[in-house]
Amino acid sequence: NAGVTQTPKFQVLKTGQSMTLQCAQDMNHNSMYWYRQDPGMGLRLIYYSASEGTTDKGEVPNGYNVSRLNKREFSLRLESAAPSQTSVYFCASEPQGWWGSPLHFGNGTRLTVT
Amino acid sequence: DQQVKQNSPSLSVQEGRISILNCDYTNSMFDYFLWYKKYPAEGPTFLISISSIKDKNEDGRFTVFLNKSAKHLSLHIVPSQPGDSAVYFCAASAVGPYAGGTSYGKLTFGQGTILTVHP
Repeated sequence: NAGVTQTPKFQVLKTGQSMTLQCAQDMNHNSMYWYRQDPGMGLRLIYYSASEGTTDKGEVPNGYNVSRLNKREFSLRLESAAPSQTSVYFCASEPQGWWGSPLHFGNGTRLTVT
Repeated sequence: DQQVKQNSPSLSVQEGRISILNCDYTNSMFDYFLWYKKYPAEGPTFLISISSIKDKNEDGRFTVFLNKSAKHLSLHIVPSQPGDSAVYFCAASAVGPYAGGTSYGKLTFGQGTILTVHP
């Protein structure tokens, strides 16, 4: 009963390095999301995928790319990391068309860019 | 421009008393509101929600109140317990079911309020 699994849990990058944050869900949910959490800012939506094969920008997409690999997996890529991307990243999923369905979040990836 | 605001960064209450967490929003298109609870090193977990056609929703010790004219919602926890100590985020969506939307996950979050319940 894993729910939403994110890897890695922690990562330190140097400015300019690239990396991919992985997310997988085993609840057969249609929609998946990437949020970042920064102190004093709450959570902000980076990208989302309403269904397999589609992706759309959220509030803060600059510097990121995403891939909805299949129904289970939704990855977030930083092509050239910047210190402003130091944050905690949360992946979430939700089922489609069920009123009141909340987002189910993973436990986050804490990323530091030096 | 912060469309959802939680103006109290922290709140401290005694066990057994009421905790009231507040949230204000500015976007009139928001039609679905949620509260999430977050423990350290974990992801947020859903607590309770309310649609814009209601002004109150209750689930056990948790009640959410919505005042649309004031663009204000609040979460009441009665009685408060030490295990309720966490960060509470309010969130809002403009694509809820009564707006005909199909995705409720595009949420706008407040900054969070740290609740500490003392034994």
